[in-house]
Amino acid sequence: DSGVTQTPKHLITATGQRVTLRCSPRSGDLSVYWYQQSLDQGLQFLIQYYNGEERAKGNILERFSAQQFPDLHSELNLSSLELGDSALYFCASSVGTTGELFFGEGSRLTVL
Amino acid sequence: GQNIDQPTEMTATEGAIVQINCTYQTSGFNGLFWYQQHAGEAPTFLSYNVLDGLEEKGRFSSFLSRSKGYSYLLLKELQMKDSASYLCAVNYGGATNKLIFGTGTLLAVQP
Repeated sequence: DSGVTQTPKHLITATGQRVTLRCSPRSGDLSVYWYQQSLDQGLQFLIQYYNGEERAKGNILERFSAQQFPDLHSELNLSSLELGDSALYFCASSVGTTGELFFGEGSRLTVL
Repeated sequence: GQNIDQPTEMTATEGAIVQINCTYQTSGFNGLFWYQQHAGEAPTFLSYNVLDGLEEKGRFSSFLSRSKGYSYLLLKELQMKDSASYLCAVNYGGATNKLIFGTGTLLAVQP
């Protein structure tokens, strides 16, 4: 158990819908990262937050947005969902802005 | 651009030694990670190399050559539970983590 908690573990929804994925980092970690993992691709970096502020951005679509709240938990919002958005979404956290990342168990999103 | 290459699949025998290679070309370098990932599960941290050389941690060792853009993960005394995907990731960020992951090497350990 990494100490990073993600909910929900599984989510099935339809195209065009909107979902929210939630992540609680390890106690004491200030950075939260979101990654997408599709079947045929490796882990793709989406976005990083540090202590409530956006720190780095990867290949995150405009339909996706995220935020980190004062209690350091983070949410990833996915809207206007397409079939291709079906993937495992991982949240990770780290103490600072560099160093080892600890991953949550992931949220498996299926878009039908 | 950023690019990481590692073999797609490898097979090894229980009790043997296996070496998984990783080559990278990135715009910056601030360390290289190896993660283990069992199917459908979270990646778990194995090693982190910043300087050239070999880092040993139990049955696992990781080597880095920054001048060659090359790393390898060495697994000794293979066990069946080592069957998993092994991910090489390079931090190309400066003051903040910007990790690019390879697509992973799926290792199958056979009896």
